[in-house]
Amino acid sequence: AQTVTQSQPEMSVQEAETVTLSCTYDTSESDYYLFWYKQPPSRQMILVIRQEAYKQQNATENRFSVNFQKAAKSFSLKISDSQLGDAAMYFCAYRSLHHNTDKLIFGTGTRLQVFP
Amino acid sequence: AAGVIQSPRHLIKEKRETATLKCYPIPRHDTVYWYQQGPGQDPQFLISFYEKMQSDKGSIPDRFSAQQFSDYHSELNMSSLELGDSALYFCASSQTGTYGYTFGSGTRLTVV
Repeated sequence: AQTVTQSQPEMSVQEAETVTLSCTYDTSESDYYLFWYKQPPSRQMILVIRQEAYKQQNATENRFSVNFQKAAKSFSLKISDSQLGDAAMYFCAYRSLHHNTDKLIFGTGTRLQVFP
Repeated sequence: AAGVIQSPRHLIKEKRETATLKCYPIPRHDTVYWYQQGPGQDPQFLISFYEKMQSDKGSIPDRFSAQQFSDYHSELNMSSLELGDSALYFCASSQTGTYGYTFGSGTRLTVV
């Protein structure tokens, strides 16, 4: 079974600075998706960024980028130029490509605080 | 763009009562998923349906049941409610073969 581990329960960053959230996962599959979701106090699940495992190039979405190391099974999220609105819970998630087993498997989350 | 619609947004029930949560997926999405997120926890997968048939099952209590109807909306039925069932319940939908996975806003269930 696949597992996702986020070893940082809490992180903090100063506004305009850069922060990196860590995520590791375990799987025997060779192709899959990885995601970072943001959950603000409203508790809406908001997709931040996704990565297809077959792509070597790291995904980037504006201030958000990932460092995907497939061999190491590592998938970290870098937030550049942090803003107060980035404060939230961040979940790393794994999704199998196999039909009927494609549920999201989440890590335990990292709470990010942003200080002015 | 249409989103995943969940109703109700909030629900308060007493212990041992029954609750029904509804989910309306994005049109043409063929798979629906249900997740439970307790306070301070990550979302846990409960059950999924593909083309109205149960496709995968997670840690769903026997007191819970779910189904997907001919119009593709899904309902999660929860009976003999316990205090520990208080949580945020998410529905999500996807289209097979795509990476898209859209969450609804969730139903916050409080059992008192």
